[in-house]
Amino acid sequence: DADVTQTPRNRITKTGKRIMLECSQTKGHDRMYWYRQDPGLGLRLIYYSFDVKDINKGEISDGYSVSRQAQAKFSLSLESAIPNQTALYFCATSDGNTEAFFGQGTRLTVV
Amino acid sequence: QKEVEQDPGPLSVPEGAIVSLNCTYSNSAFQYFMWYRQYSRKGPELLMYTYSSGNKEDGRFTAQVDKSSKYISLFIRDSQPSDSATYLCAMSAPGSNYKLTFGKGTLLTVNP
Repeated sequence: DADVTQTPRNRITKTGKRIMLECSQTKGHDRMYWYRQDPGLGLRLIYYSFDVKDINKGEISDGYSVSRQAQAKFSLSLESAIPNQTALYFCATSDGNTEAFFGQGTRLTVV
Repeated sequence: QKEVEQDPGPLSVPEGAIVSLNCTYSNSAFQYFMWYRQYSRKGPELLMYTYSSGNKEDGRFTAQVDKSSKYISLFIRDSQPSDSATYLCAMSAPGSNYKLTFGKGTLLTVNP
């Protein structure tokens, strides 16, 4: 089983719909992150969390919200999806030292 | 100016070639430098990690950091078709709690 699991792997949704992307990890890490990846723009940080009670905005948090339900679970929500939120979304975890572990990604298309 | 600049390529080389991938950065607070490799339809995986300046070698891979020039490099010797992937540089500063700033990634294809 993967250490960082994202669901769903692919999703097509309509403009204006609410959608949640879920992430769970078995690494036992406190730190969890949500990134989006766009062609030509690389990976950009949306939100990050250092423990269940700690949530922080990244560089592109507008239009997104997150919930840290447990140490192992970190979900990303799009309250009202818009087409420019079409992207590849990655969840990652780290122990704060040298390495971040990424999930397989969720490909989201907003039509 | 973006904090981290990376030529997106694409870069195509024959098998056995030496590959040089580079990033420049503007934030002098960066102390931790990483190279991630991302295969198609996969998440990035850490390939090399370097703290502060200097070189680090791991098999066919060498990472170099020149903090005076704010320039990092990844060299791949004897490149193989299995090295075909997107290579992302990433950096973080002390006290940032491992908030990574990524380059855009360079798409590398090694042709047999």
